[in-house]
Amino acid sequence: DTGVSQDPRHKITKRGQNVTFRCDPISEHNRLYWYRQTLGQGPEFLTYFQNEAQLEKSRLLSDRFSAERPKGSFSTLEIQRTEQGDSAMYLCASRHTSGGAGDEQFFGPGTRLTVL
Amino acid sequence: DAKTTQPPSMDCAEGRAANLPCNHSTISGNEYVYWYRQIHSQGPQYIIHGLKNNETNEMASLIITEDRKSSTLILPHATLRDTAVYYCIVRVTDSSYKLIFGSGTRLLVRP
Repeated sequence: DTGVSQDPRHKITKRGQNVTFRCDPISEHNRLYWYRQTLGQGPEFLTYFQNEAQLEKSRLLSDRFSAERPKGSFSTLEIQRTEQGDSAMYLCASRHTSGGAGDEQFFGPGTRLTVL
Repeated sequence: DAKTTQPPSMDCAEGRAANLPCNHSTISGNEYVYWYRQIHSQGPQYIIHGLKNNETNEMASLIITEDRKSSTLILPHATLRDTAVYYCIVRVTDSSYKLIFGSGTRLLVRP
């Protein structure tokens, strides 16, 4: 399968614990996006990378959140000292900046986080 | 904030056309309209996009009004597998290309 993959698919943790999610984008896609989706709502933008550079962070991304894309390939999203309000689906998407306005984003299946 | 307004839910019969409306009255001249859908427990999936002209692909057709203040996504022959949440998005014009989702329309295709 050459689509976007995310790991793990599900994560249950206790409040106060740290969690890390991984996203593997489509090969050669230089843009990588993270979104968060709570129940009944559309996805909300968190941050994005162009290659290894993190170019924008939403105000939703508190100090407890950190994202990296060290070699411009896979990315990790870490949440420190998790809170119950962090419970959500975390989605990763990738695209290639080929210069066209119509380049779509390809989404992974998401990581569902439950904080007890 | 999302720049689009969609009905929260719709339904249609299997085999019939599903017409999903979207209002984007504040759209700017160079902003594209994108449609994505999200089947339960999956990530969003791209459907189609357009700027001014009507567009058609193997999944759907997109009809944009002449004033560009609204659009309609048409699934010509809906199947049960088309049951999903459909998002109409006006894509930001900055270099991020990030997507600002609204709440979408939950489409139920009835057998």
